[in-house]
Amino acid sequence: KAGVTQTPRYLIKTRGQQVTLSCSPISGHRSVSWYQQTPGQGLQFLFEYFSETQRNKGNFPGRFSGRQFSNSRSEMNVSTLELGDSALYLCASSLDLVSYNSPLHFGNGTRLTVT
Amino acid sequence: KQEVTQIPAALSVPEGENLVLNCSFTDSAIYNLQWFRQDPGKGLTSLLLIQSSQREQTSGRLNASLDKSSGRSTLYIAASQPGDSATYLCAGGGATNKLIFGTGTLLAVQP
Repeated sequence: KAGVTQTPRYLIKTRGQQVTLSCSPISGHRSVSWYQQTPGQGLQFLFEYFSETQRNKGNFPGRFSGRQFSNSRSEMNVSTLELGDSALYLCASSLDLVSYNSPLHFGNGTRLTVT
Repeated sequence: KQEVTQIPAALSVPEGENLVLNCSFTDSAIYNLQWFRQDPGKGLTSLLLIQSSQREQTSGRLNASLDKSSGRSTLYIAASQPGDSATYLCAGGGATNKLIFGTGTLLAVQP
């Protein structure tokens, strides 16, 4: 069974640009969560999608948005990039909502560098 | 608001030693506590998930416990091996249904 696939693996963008990251969950998984990982703040929750609906959102500005498609694939978008957005963005999928005790399966992440 | 703390931040042990990693959380309304490992440049690998109604879970050389009353979880690794070297993270979900991660313990097992 294929794992969680995130594309691209690496991105370099300039301040002010926007970026879209993609996540393909494990087949049959309906929940997709996104996390930002930085050396200073660690792993922080961005949002969780289930059945194409955002079910939960972390404390990030509105520049961070996401969506989920009918096949459970998900994208997240960051607009007006800032230097502080440089991070490893991790996507995780699970059979059910995280709060329903479904183990998370993570992709290898997208490394975003903003210059 | 759930806060998760892991101590120590780094740990180095000789191969074969048994070790314990600690995780503390503030929200006793935790619905589960999960342990992950992360290898450099990679995503997280799920190790164990303890539901709020459970006290412990075991998988091979790993045993994780959960004590909601004291706000603590421990991950016990028996007979450590160099391949166990990684960063170990715990994560707890609370009343907000958000999974909150600790900052991790960097484990080095020396051959």
